[in-house]
Amino acid sequence: EPEVTQTPSHQVTQMGQEVILRCVPISNHLYFYWYRQILGQKVEFLVSFYNNEISEKSEIFDDQFSVERPDGSNFTLKIRSTKLEDSAMYFCASSEAHEQYFGPGTRLTVT
Amino acid sequence: QKEVEQDPGPLSVPEGAIVSLNCTYSNSAFQYFMWYRQYSRKGPELLMYTYSSGNKEDGRFTAQVDKSSKYISLFIRDSQPSDSATYLCAMSGGGYQKVTFGTGTKLQVIP
Repeated sequence: EPEVTQTPSHQVTQMGQEVILRCVPISNHLYFYWYRQILGQKVEFLVSFYNNEISEKSEIFDDQFSVERPDGSNFTLKIRSTKLEDSAMYFCASSEAHEQYFGPGTRLTVT
Repeated sequence: QKEVEQDPGPLSVPEGAIVSLNCTYSNSAFQYFMWYRQYSRKGPELLMYTYSSGNKEDGRFTAQVDKSSKYISLFIRDSQPSDSATYLCAMSGGGYQKVTFGTGTKLQVIP
């Protein structure tokens, strides 16, 4: 069964550093998303991406965040200058129709 | 009022019991309703997906949506210890829009 994959599974970084989280969506899906979940809190939408551009973004997705589809298979989330409060699980999702399928997540720890 | 409200539990039931999980919501624009299962520090796994009002059954799982009351439910029949997880209700306006999640209900099925 096709699935969304994410790397790395755990990333530790120092405050102020740049991080890139990587995702490989399901191959025939055209819509891609990033969500995050701070420990003990609900899953929150960050951004959606279609046809090489951002479709929608939340207020969390400020200028420190960017997304890119650098090739035909990868979808990345970049955080330019990480803050302590960016520590969370980051989930990539993709969809072909209305159902969104989530990856296993990257746990980002900012120290 | 929160956009999506879900009792966080925890809910503890004996094996074989019928489990009822519920959410209420306030946004009338929601048209698509989902239930995800999430194990600790893992990605949300799509369980059930329903469009508009009505019932949908898949094996031991039944999802119900009552748009007039802005109330959705997930029933699990013959619950198993492997059903122990956090169950997230989720909804969207469709058209590949963002998914808005509830906080999740933690379920424990005791053998």
